[in-house]
Amino acid sequence: ETGVTQSPTHLIKTRGQQVTLRCSSQSGHNTVSWYQQALGQGPQFIFQYYREEENGRGNFPPRFSGLQFPNYSSELNVNALELDDSALYLCASSGGLARSSYNEQFFGPGTRLTVL
Amino acid sequence: AQKITQTQPGMFVQEKEAVTLDCTYDTSDQSYGLFWYKQPSSGEMIFLIYQGSYDEQNATEGRYSLNFQKARKSANLVISASQLGDSAMYFCAMRVFIIQGAQKLVFGQGTRLTINP
Repeated sequence: ETGVTQSPTHLIKTRGQQVTLRCSSQSGHNTVSWYQQALGQGPQFIFQYYREEENGRGNFPPRFSGLQFPNYSSELNVNALELDDSALYLCASSGGLARSSYNEQFFGPGTRLTVL
Repeated sequence: AQKITQTQPGMFVQEKEAVTLDCTYDTSDQSYGLFWYKQPSSGEMIFLIYQGSYDEQNATEGRYSLNFQKARKSANLVISASQLGDSAMYFCAMRVFIIQGAQKLVFGQGTRLTINP
């Protein structure tokens, strides 16, 4: 098991609602990345946070936003939920931006979001 | 554009046999990293093995080895002596650098491996 935890495990929302997903990174890791994995697909990069600032973003609309806290835990917020937002949301933590530290990237168990 | 291609949607193998999962990649970067992850039905991505583009030797981790053929842009995963617990989805991924020094992983579509007793 990695030291990365996510909550909640499962979540059911209706279209138009807002949701907040949480991730606690592995001890000592200051970089958190979020991925969306639709059913039957590989994960897609949403964004990355390094030392409390967003420093990279994938092809996701602004209604996907995030935060990173001083203890390096992170939140993913999604506003105005759409049916296509139904997916497994994974967070991954690593020890920084150096290539060697990125090779040690540990994923959490994920949050499965269902939008009805 | 950086891309990972996994052409085997599903693989069925007898227990104790070796299995090779295919992965090809496309990048114009000289420096990159290739990863394999295992995803059981629980959903967690479990890191298996890593190969850097400048590594001259193929990476090995226990029963896992990565057959890295740089000229062909392939990074196949070989699992020796397969076990029932190896049944899962397997993803090949490539580390890609984006603006501001950030990095991301680009994943393939995955291969579902089933080990038969």
